[in-house]
Amino acid sequence: KAGVTQTPRYLIKTRGQQVTLSCSPISGHRSVSWYQQTPGQGLQFLFEYFSETQRNKGNFPGRFSGRQFSNSRSEMNVSTLELGDSALYLCASSFDGVGNQPQHFGDGTRLSIL
Amino acid sequence: GQSLEQPSEVTAVEGAIVQINCTYQTSGFYGLSWYQQHDGGAPTFLSYNALDGLEETGRFSSFLSRSDSYGYLLLQELQMKDSASYFCVVGATNKLIFGTGTLLAVQP
Repeated sequence: KAGVTQTPRYLIKTRGQQVTLSCSPISGHRSVSWYQQTPGQGLQFLFEYFSETQRNKGNFPGRFSGRQFSNSRSEMNVSTLELGDSALYLCASSFDGVGNQPQHFGDGTRLSIL
Repeated sequence: GQSLEQPSEVTAVEGAIVQINCTYQTSGFYGLSWYQQHDGGAPTFLSYNALDGLEETGRFSSFLSRSDSYGYLLLQELQMKDSASYFCVVGATNKLIFGTGTLLAVQP
């Protein structure tokens, strides 16, 4: 069974630009969550999608948005990029939600803002 | 409110036993998980406790006390490859709360 796939692996952008990251979950998993990881803040929850609906949201500004498609693939978009958005963005999938199911993580997209 | 605390760093020697503690405060709690992350890699699931007591998986064990809002991860017979960050994760109603992680350094 293929794991969680995130693309691209690395991305360099400049301030003010926007970026879209992609996540393909494990086949059969309907829940996809996104996390931001920085050295100082650890893993911070961005949002969770389940059956194409955003079910949970963390404390991030509206510049961070996402969506989920009918095949459970998910995209995350960040608009008007700031230097502080430089981070590793991780996607995780589970069968039916951010609950007692193990989260299966992708290798992440490392975003650098110049 | 909700909070989750675990030590930021722990150092131990090869072959030893180390315990990483986690205390939490949240509503709607239903379980505690542990994840391991090697530098530059993806977090991987280690264990899950929903009920009080000890769960053992090979060299790793995890403990939960719901009444004390406390849990720990126990690593035995430490190996160099166990050097990584370990995250305590609280499962609450429809969400997961990640700790900031404990960096374990295993020395020869």
